Amino acid sequence: SYVLTQPPSVSVAPGQTARITCGGNNIGSRSVHWYQQKPGQAPVLVVYDDSARPSGISERFSGSNSGNTATLTISKVDAGDEADYSCQVWDSGSDRPGVFGTGTTVTVL
Amino acid sequence: VQLVQSGAEVKKPGESLKISCKGSGFSFPIYWIGWVRQMPGKGLEWVATIYPSDSDTRYSPSFQGRVTISADKSINTAYLQWSSLSASDTAIYYCARQSGSSGYVQHWGQGTLVTVSP
Repeated sequence: SYVLTQPPSVSVAPGQTARITCGGNNIGSRSVHWYQQKPGQAPVLVVYDDSARPSGISERFSGSNSGNTATLTISKVDAGDEADYSCQVWDSGSDRPGVFGTGTTVTVL
Repeated sequence: VQLVQSGAEVKKPGESLKISCKGSGFSFPIYWIGWVRQMPGKGLEWVATIYPSDSDTRYSPSFQGRVTISADKSINTAYLQWSSLSASDTAIYYCARQSGSSGYVQHWGQGTLVTVSP
């Protein structure tokens, strides 16, 4: 089955840029979605279809996808961005449901 | 759009369980509805998904044969059931409405905590 690999943790100073990678075989050929999850809460979609932002999501969140790596970028990080982030793909033509990445904890120093 | 899940459950190993997710504010039959597991302190895992209009179902390999997803489109409700629970089923289960052809999830249920303990 398809595997998505993320770094377990990323640390970033306030005001700097955090980059979270999601690695998968030829992931550039798939649409990648990103979720933010804070403790005790359901996940929140922050980027879909590689780089689109849902209504209400800050412009500081952006995404890219090419080759074997998709990336979520959070610019001008603040304490409110401290959370777990997960990537996800789904192939509607396959007989499997979606797949999530292993998850990354973002810590704001 | 709302997804309202059934309440927390405490069960013993070997017992059966069926949890539910009722959708409102959208045309329930024409959206893929999935279940996502989150074990304590762990990441998200996709369990299964169903298209209520024709009951097309898809299971992740890790869950195939261990759970059953179903839906009743007449009452806009999806279900996840176990015939025999084990301690390793202890987790929060979220239902999720998938959107678009790429299956992103913009709408989530509030989560159902399932605890399996002797």
